[in-house]
Amino acid sequence: QQPVQSPQAVILREGEDAVINCSSSKALYSVHWYRQKHGEAPIFLMILLKGGEQKGHDKISASFNEKKQQSSLYLTASQLSYSGTYFCGTELNWDSGAGSYQLTFGKGTKLSVIP
Amino acid sequence: DTAVSQTPKYLVTQMGNDKSIKCEQNLGHDTMYWYKQDSKKFLKIMFSYNNKELIINETVPNRFSPKSPDKAHLNLHINSLELGDSAVYFCASSRDRVGNEQFFGPGTRLTVL
Repeated sequence: QQPVQSPQAVILREGEDAVINCSSSKALYSVHWYRQKHGEAPIFLMILLKGGEQKGHDKISASFNEKKQQSSLYLTASQLSYSGTYFCGTELNWDSGAGSYQLTFGKGTKLSVIP
Repeated sequence: DTAVSQTPKYLVTQMGNDKSIKCEQNLGHDTMYWYKQDSKKFLKIMFSYNNKELIINETVPNRFSPKSPDKAHLNLHINSLELGDSAVYFCASSRDRVGNEQFFGPGTRLTVL
């Protein structure tokens, strides 16, 4: 039930854009996105709930396609501060057989922004 | 005004010892969690408590025992530590058990020698 993230790693120059994808084989209640910098705790970016939606703040946005059980995180005009590992986390629908609404994280996407 | 705090930040100990990690949140949240992040950065849930009641208990060795004395605290006790227990342990909290942002503590880096 672990979501699958792609790509595993990406290197960008400042100002370039990136897309990180997250997909699940089960019906989803929500998708969370977090960023973790080396040696620090994961920091919440945004949550998207079932019903399909799109959210964003500043130059980071995300979409959630409930039917395809996929979410994408969009980073535009990347800055050096965007570097880190991005995790998507998914909560399954109760009727997916999960038995609980636990948040299961993908393996992460390491994003490096260089000058 | 730390939201989620953990102690200690670093823990170095010998195999076979027993150790505890403490977590406190001052956000008034109902749900608290323990996650383990291994050397490959995989972040996996171990336990979750909602209003002091255990609601998630993933397949972890029974050497790991969580305890929630009240809504604001969730401690983790580990018996008979093994080399494979070395990892970073994160405590987190959220307002409710589903569909809410989780706030993570700074982590406790456990090294078992």
